[in-house]
Amino acid sequence: RKEVEQDPGPFNVPEGATVAFNCTYSNSASQSFFWYRQDCRKEPKLLMSVYSSGNEDGRFTAQLNRASQYISLLIRDSKLSDSATYLCVVNSPTGRRALTFGSGTRLQVQP
Amino acid sequence: ETGVTQSPTHLIKTRGQQVTLRCSSQSGHNTVSWYQQALGQGPQFIFQYYREEENGRGNFPPRFSGLQFPNYSSELNVNALELDDSALYLCASTILAGQTYNEQFFGPGTRLTVL
Repeated sequence: RKEVEQDPGPFNVPEGATVAFNCTYSNSASQSFFWYRQDCRKEPKLLMSVYSSGNEDGRFTAQLNRASQYISLLIRDSKLSDSATYLCVVNSPTGRRALTFGSGTRLQVQP
Repeated sequence: ETGVTQSPTHLIKTRGQQVTLRCSSQSGHNTVSWYQQALGQGPQFIFQYYREEENGRGNFPPRFSGLQFPNYSSELNVNALELDDSALYLCASTILAGQTYNEQFFGPGTRLTVL
């Protein structure tokens, strides 16, 4: 079983749509959670951290459910520029300090 | 831009050869991590260097090795290249301080093709 699992997509949505991505993680000791965005042939960039209380940054809302080991990202009012791969990422500060990435979910926003 | 640079940007090697990839960390960062990203996959952690010593390693064989220099820049060396080593190699720098997690900033990557 992969440590971080995501639906690979692709998600093809029209401009203005709301789209949700989900992710599950297997290590219950994980302590930090993130969504990264990766454009084609570019490096990953931090989109937002994810907190248990849920957090919002403009059109983006992230949620964490520790009991279910589940992370979500909601994008409202999708823009063409949101087209990218969204990577669910977990960091376990105990033991090896590394980021564990899911395989990513590809989003294509269409005009 | 993150301030993390990598060289070269692209590289083509043949099976069995050796390769060295380089990374310059962002100013003020003391830790460099290396990741391998195969096509269609998320990055996978190779290892991390802190104060010139390996500070954690993922599930990669010993032919993947690294170095960190006093200026915190780093090298990734891969011996006896295999076809499956073809991937984008990313380095990320951060400040390691106690248990606080600080954001890792990624370089643009080196795309390695093994023929």
